[in-house]
Amino acid sequence: DVKVTQSSRYLVKRTGEKVFLECVQDMDHENMFWYRQDPGLGLRLIYFSYDVKMKEKGDIPEGYSVSREKKERFSLILESASTNQTSMYLCASSSPRPGQGGNYEQYFGPGTRLTVT
Amino acid sequence: AQTVTQSQPEMSVQEAETVTLSCTYDTSESDYYLFWYKQPPSRQMILVIRQEAYKQQNATENRFSVNFQKAAKSFSLKISDSQLGDAAMYFCAYKGYGGSNYKLTFGKGTLLTVNP
Repeated sequence: DVKVTQSSRYLVKRTGEKVFLECVQDMDHENMFWYRQDPGLGLRLIYFSYDVKMKEKGDIPEGYSVSREKKERFSLILESASTNQTSMYLCASSSPRPGQGGNYEQYFGPGTRLTVT
Repeated sequence: AQTVTQSQPEMSVQEAETVTLSCTYDTSESDYYLFWYKQPPSRQMILVIRQEAYKQQNATENRFSVNFQKAAKSFSLKISDSQLGDAAMYFCAYKGYGGSNYKLTFGKGTLLTVNP
């Protein structure tokens, strides 16, 4: 079974702090994703990575950056947290290879509820 | 750009009955994948069912089945014999075909309540 873990379930940070959210997957997946989930808005893609050190902006990258130094780990960074970044953050991974969850579906972590005060 | 619309923000069903969740999408592509994901109150998002657009046969996974209408760009989820554990937020998602299409586009979700 694919396992995607996130470093924290709940996190409370102050405005202006630098925040790191970490995600680790154990299935050797090439692709990793960061989403934020807000009520009534569904899931919105922040950034994704299709290989180590490779990244691409998603739909709402402003205020965020990412790092992927190792294949299994994908970090989301809030350079200077703001209250409008209070949200649920979900990490996901997928593989383009048939047989590894084939058909490219994404596997999700449990989420991190971030509150910025 | 592709869009996914779930027109029912909330639905409810009696235990053991059948419920259908609606999803429509907009795309100019001919090949793609569609998914239904479930997010229970514990928050872990899990895949319920997937459909390849090139397959005419509707996908089925136990009590879950889809009605895929390609021409109408409709992809509804039917849950038969509903159980209390089916209560969750359900998301419909679209993915373009091909190795360079990494992204999933999600609808805004339908919150399903199952009444005992």
